[in-house]
Amino acid sequence: EDQVTQSPEALRLQEGESSSLNCSYTVSGLRGLFWYRQDPGKGPEFLFTLYSAGEEKEKERLKATLTKKESFLHITAPKPEDSATYLCAVQAGLYGNKLVFGAGTILRVKS
Amino acid sequence: EAGVTQFPSHSVIEKGQTVTLRCDPISGHDNLYWYRRVMGKEIKFLLHFVKESKQDESGMPNNRFLAERTGGTYSTLKVQPAELEDSGVYFCASSQGDYTAQHFGDGTRLSIL
Repeated sequence: EDQVTQSPEALRLQEGESSSLNCSYTVSGLRGLFWYRQDPGKGPEFLFTLYSAGEEKEKERLKATLTKKESFLHITAPKPEDSATYLCAVQAGLYGNKLVFGAGTILRVKS
Repeated sequence: EAGVTQFPSHSVIEKGQTVTLRCDPISGHDNLYWYRRVMGKEIKFLLHFVKESKQDESGMPNNRFLAERTGGTYSTLKVQPAELEDSGVYFCASSQGDYTAQHFGDGTRLSIL
């Protein structure tokens, strides 16, 4: 069974303090790894898709990387508005588009 | 471009009653998905439509749940009769292609009393 584990469960940072979130996965045939951001009371907001090991994507203060067993979401010089829950999901197997989600990392950035 | 729209945003019903959730996908997206998150758990897949056809319904919990997508546009998810364990947030998502990003609505929070 496909599994996605995110760590840490929660992370508190000072404004400007860079850090990384981890997403490790065990799947049979990865077809894509997705990062989402979710604010309270809202749906997941798409950030990045990574398809193969070694791939990197960047958007503002966020950078996502992928290896054969895990993905990292690096946050450089975070701001309070980066506070949210960050979700990792994988699409795997020979067919089907379903996403398997991790439990998420709750990020709080204090000014 | 309008995003994925879900209605209602919140529904409170009693055990044994029927509830219907609606999802309007992004215009032009043939793929439509239903997911749900129950308290303290991860978001879990329910089913996937391609146009009006059910492509994968492996995540549907039981036959009290019925999903339809008439004409390949909006979709409804009916729960009949509702049980306490059906409480949670039901998300709808849509995507243009098979391996492209799925875009989510803000969900329907379903509370069964």
